[in-house]
Amino acid sequence: KAGVTQTPRYLIKTRGQQVTLSCSPISGHRSVSWYQQTPGQGLQFLFEYFSETQRNKGNFPGRFSGRQFSNSRSEMNVSTLELGDSALYLCASSLGAGTGLNEQYFGPGTRLTVT
Amino acid sequence: AQKVTQAQTEISVVEKEDVTLDCVYETRDTTYYLFWYKQPPSGELVFLIRRNSFDEQNEISGRYSWNFQKSTSSFNFTITASQVVDSAVYFCALSDSNYQLIWGAGTKLIIKP
Repeated sequence: KAGVTQTPRYLIKTRGQQVTLSCSPISGHRSVSWYQQTPGQGLQFLFEYFSETQRNKGNFPGRFSGRQFSNSRSEMNVSTLELGDSALYLCASSLGAGTGLNEQYFGPGTRLTVT
Repeated sequence: AQKVTQAQTEISVVEKEDVTLDCVYETRDTTYYLFWYKQPPSGELVFLIRRNSFDEQNEISGRYSWNFQKSTSSFNFTITASQVVDSAVYFCALSDSNYQLIWGAGTKLIIKP
């Protein structure tokens, strides 16, 4: 069974640009969650999608958005990039909804660097 | 508000030593879940265990064991006879009332050969 895949793995963007990250969950998983990981703030929850609906959202500005498609693949978008958005963005999938209920399977992450 | 504290920022031990990673949590919920995840240098977090608040039995899985004590709001993780491959960052997490995870800051475990 293929694991969670994330593309691209590495990305360098300039401040003010926008970026779209992609996540393909494990086949059969309907929940996809996104996290931002930085040395200073640790792991922070961005949002969770279940069956194409945003189920929960973390405390991030509106520049961070996401969506989920009918095949459960998910994208997250960050507009007007800031230097502080440099981070490892992790995607996780699970069978059911609720990151606090289900075992999550994580992808390798996308390392975003904003210059 | 819910909170997870992993007071040990970094632990370094020599291979084959036993090591315990501490996790203390705060919640007012009576029903909740606790998790441990491992993040090796490759970056992908790996699920280790989920425990619900009504099950205080200790869990053992090979060299790994978990001690859940509601009386002290702790969910500690012990690795017996540590190996170099155990080197990773270990995260403890707690479910909130919306069943979203609240993560601890993580403990970096270094196992020296």
